[in-house]
Amino acid sequence: AQRVTQPEKLLSVFKGAPVELKCNYSYSGSPELFWYVQYSRQRLQLLLRHISRESIKGFTADLNKGETSFHLKKPFAQEEDSAMYYCAWGGNYQLIWGAGTKLIIKP
Amino acid sequence: EADIYQTPRYLVIGTGKKITLECSQTMGHDKMYWYQQDPGMELHLIHYSYGVNSTEKGDLSSESTVSRIRTEHFPLTLESARPSHTSQYLCASSEYALSTEAFFGQGTRLTVV
Repeated sequence: AQRVTQPEKLLSVFKGAPVELKCNYSYSGSPELFWYVQYSRQRLQLLLRHISRESIKGFTADLNKGETSFHLKKPFAQEEDSAMYYCAWGGNYQLIWGAGTKLIIKP
Repeated sequence: EADIYQTPRYLVIGTGKKITLECSQTMGHDKMYWYQQDPGMELHLIHYSYGVNSTEKGDLSSESTVSRIRTEHFPLTLESARPSHTSQYLCASSEYALSTEAFFGQGTRLTVV
């Protein structure tokens, strides 16, 4: 079965430091991959998707088919980046979700 | 303003009660979904609908039922609540298939005592 793994439940970095949130998926083929974010007291929302190859709020994510990874990166973390981040794989009729990583940016 | 609404936000209810979690959207989307999420865990799809009078069960088995009589409304019902139903329930909608961007409501946190 398709599976999305986010190995870190919690990631804490200092403001200005680089951030990398890991995501691995188990699927062969051409996946659609997404990063969703949930800020405190806000609803879950799309951050970015691999197909658009865009940078949102300074975050980028590159699909590595060889390593079946879709890690989320930002070169310089900001305090407002503190949130829950979920990686999701899209296929068939549904999204398969990782368990999420809580990112804390320390001042 | 286009949005997706869930009520109530929080619900504490006794075992055996019947409950309905409401979800409405003004996004104009045909596709709607219900997810269940336990703390610190993944979201699991429990029901989805591709349009009026269309409902399907998701991968996670659930004792809840749904209906889709109107495009904008997708309520979830538990006929007899049990403590094992305690969880967060998230409603979402999308313009295209679920493997594209989904828009989420604020969620309903259900506690069955």
